[in-house]
Amino acid sequence: DGGITQSPKYLFRKEGQNVTLSCEQNLNHDAMYWYRQDPGQGLRLIYYSQIVNDFQKGDIAEGYSVSREKKESFPLTVTSAQKNPTAFYLCASSVTGHTGELFFGEGSRLTVL
Amino acid sequence: SQKIEQNSEALNIQEGKTATLTCNYTNYSPAYLQWYRQDPGRGPVFLLLIRENEKEKRKERLKVTFDTTLKQSLFHITASQPADSATYLCAPQGGANNLFFGTGTRLTVIP
Repeated sequence: DGGITQSPKYLFRKEGQNVTLSCEQNLNHDAMYWYRQDPGQGLRLIYYSQIVNDFQKGDIAEGYSVSREKKESFPLTVTSAQKNPTAFYLCASSVTGHTGELFFGEGSRLTVL
Repeated sequence: SQKIEQNSEALNIQEGKTATLTCNYTNYSPAYLQWYRQDPGRGPVFLLLIRENEKEKRKERLKVTFDTTLKQSLFHITASQPADSATYLCAPQGGANNLFFGTGTRLTVIP
């Protein structure tokens, strides 16, 4: 079945460690996104990519990095520079950017110990 | 700066009634607005998109309105069912390549 797969579902990290969250889609979508969700706040855009080998910062990119070497893959690295990394991270993709429907993965919950 | 407000954090209604959720936005004029459903611990699922030149849009038991004068969108679920219980997110266009997501309204349909 077509869709977006995020892994891992749950992740624990010690302070000072980098961690990479995986996002893979087989929908043949050009655009991919990473959002962060915190209790009491709406989803906030971290990074987005509209085409392979190109990506742009969203509203809260500091402390995060991404790559887009393949159309189907858009991994997110949470670096030690991110001051408050504990959150629920959501990856999404779409055909036509934000003017169309976003397809979300099931999310990855990162907890920093 | 832009602000998105969804009427309440939680809404409880009786099964069979119509649920009405409100999304207000300030300080800008989005060209379109989307609504999503999110279940606990899951990713959001797209429900409807409405454009600024559309007053109303329907999909099965769902209806969305978009009032650009009031800067408000209303989301209605008719003949509500316990399976409709979830958090509903409003997401107006935020710019060329972004959506602004509201904090959501958690709907509980009581049998």
